[in-house]
Parts: sequence; structure tokens; C-alpha cells
Amino acid sequence: DTEVTQTPKHLVMGMTNKKSLKCEQHMGHRAMYWYKQKAKKPPELMFVYSYEKLSINESVPSRFSPECPNSSLLNLHLHALQPEDSALYLCASSPSSPLRVNEQFFGPGTRLTVL
Amino acid sequence: GQQVMQIPQYQHVQEGEDFTTYCNSSTTLSNIQWYKQRPGGHPVFLIQLVKSGEVKKQKRLTFQFGEAKKNSSLHITATQTTDVGTYFCAGISYSGAGSYQLTFGKGTKLSVIP
Repeated sequence: DTEVTQTPKHLVMGMTNKKSLKCEQHMGHRAMYWYKQKAKKPPELMFVYSYEKLSINESVPSRFSPECPNSSLLNLHLHALQPEDSALYLCASSPSSPLRVNEQFFGPGTRLTVL
Repeated sequence: GQQVMQIPQYQHVQEGEDFTTYCNSSTTLSNIQWYKQRPGGHPVFLIQLVKSGEVKKQKRLTFQFGEAKKNSSLHITATQTTDVGTYFCAGISYSGAGSYQLTFGKGTKLSVIP
């Protein structure tokens, strides 16, 4: 299994809603990432998890709350979002061995619209 | 922090013409990766370059890493409609405990006119 899956594919939510995005990989990767991508822009790193521990938080507002329940799963909990948070949210994973090419495998993304 | 500049932002070519996108970094890169994102899709890894002056080929795609490890290029020979998409370069930095942070260039969006 060489893919990263993400659910849901599309999500529309109001500013008072609470929702979660889910990401899963079964490649044994111990590094997992959340990115935000606006239209016609490159992906912007939000969070990095390494061995289920948060290692990087790129100054992301607290209305985004990541969680890594185990080495295969990564969640992004959303609460009180703003319309400008509408974007494609991409999850990625990468092998952690210094002996390997550490390419990042991206999931298909969740297209989020905040009304 | 690390910044990676990429040009051009857009490129429209006739099918069969060549295409090149360039990346420049303000700092020396340990290595660089290239990704392709099709319209409506997600980034897909193409290649990683590590060594100074390295050149790698994948069929019609040629990737180069500059001698000073501050610039890189992707050249596509005789473009096809299947080459359509946005090509991103990404500088890599080690962020500890086995994780790697990518700093993406702004991307070059390639359109191919049949």
C-alpha cells in the first residue's frame, strides 16, 4: 500500500461548526504533515508530526488542532474557522530513515469551504 | 528562513516544444526535490537531487542541480499534453527526529497547446 488517504474529500462548514479531517497511511512512515494550499499557490506547511509527537507548528492559529492517535493516523480538528481558511488541506507522510530519499507522499486532499 | 524562488510563474507552449523551469535559493541547499501537481490533483514526487552539479534524467525530463547547490532546473523535451500541470521545486531542511521540512517554490504552471 503506497498511498495516503484523506477523508472527507470535500467539506463545507459554518464558522461555528466543529469538524475533523482525517489522514491515514500504511507505509510505515513515522513523519506526517499537514499542509494548506490556496488556489494558485504552493502548499504551506502547518504541522509536522514525527514518531507521533508534534515537532513543528508553523504559527498556526489555535482554531486548527492536530492530533496523531497512532503512527498511521493523523487528524486535524477544526473549530470556529474563518472564510479565509477555505483551502485544500493536504496530508503527507515520509519515511524517516536518513538512508532513504525522503520524498513526501501526499494524499488527495480535503477541499474545505467555510461559509 | 529558507526561501526558494521559481520562474516563470506560467508557461504556455505548443505541443512538441521544450519547457524549462528554474529555481534559485538564497542559501545553499542540502538537496532539492521536484514535484508535479496536475490540475485538481495533489503534489506527486518526481525526483531528489543531492550532489553538486548532479544531472538526472527521467525519459523526456532532465533535472539539474547547480554546482553551488543554490539553483536547480527542470527541462522537458518535446512537451506532450500529459505534461500539463504545475511543477514545484522544494528545498529540504531536516526538522529533527526523522522529519523533513519542505519549502516550496511558487511553482510553474505549464499549459500545452495541442
